[in-house]
Amino acid sequence: RKEVEQDPGPFNVPEGATVAFNCTYSNSASQSFFWYRQDCRKEPKLLMSVYSSGNEDGRFTAQLNRASQYISLLIRDSKLSDSATYLCVVILNNNDMRFGAGTRLTVKP
Amino acid sequence: GAVVSQHPSWVICKSGTSVKIECRSLDFQATTMFWYRQFPKQSLMLMATSNEGSKATYEQGVEKDKFLINHASLTLSTLTVTSAHPEDSSFYICSAVGGFEPQHFGDGTRLSIL
Repeated sequence: RKEVEQDPGPFNVPEGATVAFNCTYSNSASQSFFWYRQDCRKEPKLLMSVYSSGNEDGRFTAQLNRASQYISLLIRDSKLSDSATYLCVVILNNNDMRFGAGTRLTVKP
Repeated sequence: GAVVSQHPSWVICKSGTSVKIECRSLDFQATTMFWYRQFPKQSLMLMATSNEGSKATYEQGVEKDKFLINHASLTLSTLTVTSAHPEDSSFYICSAVGGFEPQHFGDGTRLSIL
């Protein structure tokens, strides 16, 4: 079983749609959780951290469920510029990072 | 602005050549740097973790004699792909972390071995 699993997609949604991604992790000792965004042929960029209490940044909402060992990312009112691959990232300890394979999102006009 | 600079951004070279990639933290001291490799349509795979002044820790399956990592200072780590072959063609990305800074990624190096 992979340490971090994501639905690879692709998710093809119209502009304005709401889309949600899930990510599960296997190591219950995981300490920190993030969503990164990666555009084609570019490096990943931090989108947002994920906290147990859930956190929101504009159109983006991230949530963590430690009991079920999954995190989620919700994007509301999708824009064309949201098209990218979204990587779920889990920090084990001592900055030991594990990436999901990424979920590809395409927002269409 | 970028806080981690990676150079070069694109390398094309012949099989058997050794290629050195530099990763520099610009605005902070990076106590730990990570090197990742990403094949097309796949996720980032951690290759090794390097702490300043000590030997790098390699992930299982990554040959340390093939991928030489040096982290001689708090702002510079290098990855040398020795005697590169076509199967080493990939996107290599470094990241750095230090102090209260979150993990910052370099721009990546696209390596193409002919």
